[in-house]
Amino acid sequence: DTGVSQDPRHKITKRGQNVTFRCDPISEHNRLYWYRQTLGQGPEFLTYFQNEAQLEKSRLLSDRFSAERPKGSFSTLEIQRTEQGDSAMYLCASSLVAGSTDTQYFGPGTRLTVL
Amino acid sequence: QKEVEQNSGPLSVPEGAIASLNCTYSDRGSQSFFWYRQYSGKSPELIMSIYSNGDKEDGRFTAQLNKASQYVSLLIRDSQPSDSATYLCAVNGNTDKLIFGTGTRLQVFP
Repeated sequence: DTGVSQDPRHKITKRGQNVTFRCDPISEHNRLYWYRQTLGQGPEFLTYFQNEAQLEKSRLLSDRFSAERPKGSFSTLEIQRTEQGDSAMYLCASSLVAGSTDTQYFGPGTRLTVL
Repeated sequence: QKEVEQNSGPLSVPEGAIASLNCTYSDRGSQSFFWYRQYSGKSPELIMSIYSNGDKEDGRFTAQLNKASQYVSLLIRDSQPSDSATYLCAVNGNTDKLIFGTGTRLQVFP
């Protein structure tokens, strides 16, 4: 069990550019979540997948954000036409749903800075 | 009213003391409750999960849940300077996503 991994760990981009982040979950986990965290706040839910199906997307997520998990393994989160307000830590978590429990384990995060 | 509320702190305790962290939530249908520890600049790390009323102990940590009062707490015994971090309360209700509080910053001084 190597844990959840995310790439890159840091990304600096200029406003208007597109960025893509990758998340590799714990190998046997069937659920993958994306959260965003800004300074002084708790993580905020963005979207999640069960296997390859995207089951929920936050109403806060604008159309500039898109996520995929094409083969039910790794996932990508793309932000198009980045804005300064997109600067945050983007966190990925995975879980193995077993009965009624769904314990989420977080990756190290990708810190995005939009200049 | 926020869905999950925590006192932002900082909560300062001396080394060796018991630190008590509290959290309230608004959704009575919530089923699962979690405490995560987050060091500055790092990602959340799971400390405890609790699903039923009462206490759950794991080493120096004890989670307490009272669904009637919509209250969950975390006790840290024999606090160490290495416990200094932000502690996030998270609740999983009728949906699968976690709703987080803003976290309580704990400072343990020697």
